[in-house]
Amino acid sequence: RKEVEQDPGPFNVPEGATVAFNCTYSNSASQSFFWYRQDCRKEPKLLMSVYSSGNEDGRFTAQLNRASQYISLLIRDSKLSDSATYLCVVNILGNAGNMLTFGGGTRLMVKP
Amino acid sequence: DAGITQSPRHKVTETGTPVTLRCHQTENHRYMYWYRQDPGHGLRLIHYSYGVKDTDKGEVSDGYSVSRSKTEDFLLTLESATSSQTSVYFCAISESSSGNTIYFGEGSWLTVV
Repeated sequence: RKEVEQDPGPFNVPEGATVAFNCTYSNSASQSFFWYRQDCRKEPKLLMSVYSSGNEDGRFTAQLNRASQYISLLIRDSKLSDSATYLCVVNILGNAGNMLTFGGGTRLMVKP
Repeated sequence: DAGITQSPRHKVTETGTPVTLRCHQTENHRYMYWYRQDPGHGLRLIHYSYGVKDTDKGEVSDGYSVSRSKTEDFLLTLESATSSQTSVYFCAISESSSGNTIYFGEGSWLTVV
């Protein structure tokens, strides 16, 4: 079983749609959580951190459920520019720094 | 953007040859990482460093070695490249160990033929 699992998609949605991605993680010792965005043939970049209370950044809302070991990302009013792969990332503090474990990514394609 | 430079950005090499990828940072961050990214596997940690001359293995370290003689440089070496090491390699840096953001370089595309 992978430590961080995501539906690979692709999710094909029209502009303006609301889309939600889910992610589950297996290590209950996981301490911090993130969503990264990766464009085709580019490096991953931090989209947002995920807090237990849930957090919002413009059209993006992230939720964490520690009991179910589940993370979600909601994108409202999708834009063409949102087309990318979204990586769920879990951090376990190791002996020497961040030990990030990445999900395989969920691909989003927003169509006109 | 974080000051991370990877070189070479693209390389084609033959099986059995040694290859060294370089990661250079201008941020003076303590932690540096090498990941590989493959379809179906996502990003996987190869090796990481928590200071000059301090390195440790990640999830997929077999066939790779690293060195960090200066804060700003982290080298990844494939002693004898194999076709299974064809991949995209990303270097990353972070300032602290507290779960803060890590920043990635632009990637190095390696093809072993």
